[in-house]
Amino acid sequence: SQQGEEDPQALSIQEGENATMNCSYKTSINNLQWYRQNSGRGLVHLILIRSNEREKHSGRLRVTLDTSKKSSSLLITASRAADTASYFCATEPTGGGNKLTFGTGTQLKVEL
Amino acid sequence: DTGVSQDPRHKITKRGQNVTFRCDPISEHNRLYWYRQTLGQGPEFLTYFQNEAQLEKSRLLSDRFSAERPKGSFSTLEIQRTEQGDSAMYLCASSWTEGYTFGSGTRLTVV
Repeated sequence: SQQGEEDPQALSIQEGENATMNCSYKTSINNLQWYRQNSGRGLVHLILIRSNEREKHSGRLRVTLDTSKKSSSLLITASRAADTASYFCATEPTGGGNKLTFGTGTQLKVEL
Repeated sequence: DTGVSQDPRHKITKRGQNVTFRCDPISEHNRLYWYRQTLGQGPEFLTYFQNEAQLEKSRLLSDRFSAERPKGSFSTLEIQRTEQGDSAMYLCASSWTEGYTFGSGTRLTVV
């Protein structure tokens, strides 16, 4: 079963704009991770934020985590056509043995 | 290639046949995971190995599914008596501490 949900399910923006995706989850976690998946391919790990962290940056990516609301957001700044993909959040629950539970994903389309 | 390799990339099989998929993880990674992903959904956990020990299995993993990781290296996932509902992308991932490295997956189509 899916742990959480991403919002929106689909997002279409112009190149150069920022893209924001949100993730909600249900249980207490050790960390939350974001992955990207290009059509028909495997997932690529983007960034991990631990439960005691509130914000993290990596290049054009900014992730926030609010454990009181059980939610996270992923911001991609200055988007490029190559950012077109599906983005998934995944949570490692406390006591979860390193197993990840994925959300339902946001399909991002960046148009030229 | 130092990533996670999965073979085959695609498999079409008739209902009732058995299929086996292989995953070669990153050699330094002691944890190996199998996930299943259907169209429009996120990956769903199937099973997880630490070295050669299978530590957890999902309820999704029915009696027709079996996974092995002999010697703690590569892993195989076998589905016996395939059903149309088994059609999905089967993803393998490995990890050392945090963050997974995924393979490109095996897309199974049961006809």
